[in-house]
Amino acid sequence: GDSVTQMEGPVTLSEEAFLTINCTYTATGYPSLFWYVQYPGEGLQLLLKATKADDKGSNKGFEATYRKETTSFHLEKGSVQVSDSAVYFCALTLQGAQKLVFGQGTRLTINP
Amino acid sequence: EAGVVQSPRYKIIEKKQPVAFWCNPISGHNTLYWYLQNLGQGPELLIRYENEEAVDDSQLPKDRFSAERLKGVDSTLKIQPAELGDSAVYLCASKGSGANVLTFGAGSRLTVL
Repeated sequence: GDSVTQMEGPVTLSEEAFLTINCTYTATGYPSLFWYVQYPGEGLQLLLKATKADDKGSNKGFEATYRKETTSFHLEKGSVQVSDSAVYFCALTLQGAQKLVFGQGTRLTINP
Repeated sequence: EAGVVQSPRYKIIEKKQPVAFWCNPISGHNTLYWYLQNLGQGPELLIRYENEEAVDDSQLPKDRFSAERLKGVDSTLKIQPAELGDSAVYLCASKGSGANVLTFGAGSRLTVL
């Protein structure tokens, strides 16, 4: 079945460090890919998305590129801030499937 | 616009008691989802509604869980009786027609003692 695998956390970095959170997927078709973020005490929020191969999603300094050849959608940010501390979820949806399939989440903590 | 509203935010009950969660989706969103999020894991779909019809409830444990979406707007998710393993966050989300982005509520955190 369709699935998403994320790098295990927790991830702890210092402020201004470079961030990569790995995400790979398995899907029978051509999925749309998403990163959602969950700040402490809040609901899931869409961070960025990409709907086809080689698309790059970006928001708030975060980027992820849809790589069909490696079935990956790694999240990157060049300089993290304390306010980026949250849990990040990679997810996919197949056209017509009408539902999101999530990875297990990666908890990110940024220290000042 | 108002987001997806869920209540209660927190609920503590003893095992074998019933509990209900309520969700008000974004106005005009025809598709409504209930997801279960266990601690340290990603959300998993429980049920999806298209208007008032449950079109995907294959992951809903029907022996103790039930859901309804009367009039195709608000939805209620019920557990009766609750078990210790039901302790989790119950997320509601909605989506408009033709969109592929879900908007989530803040969730209802259930603790079963």
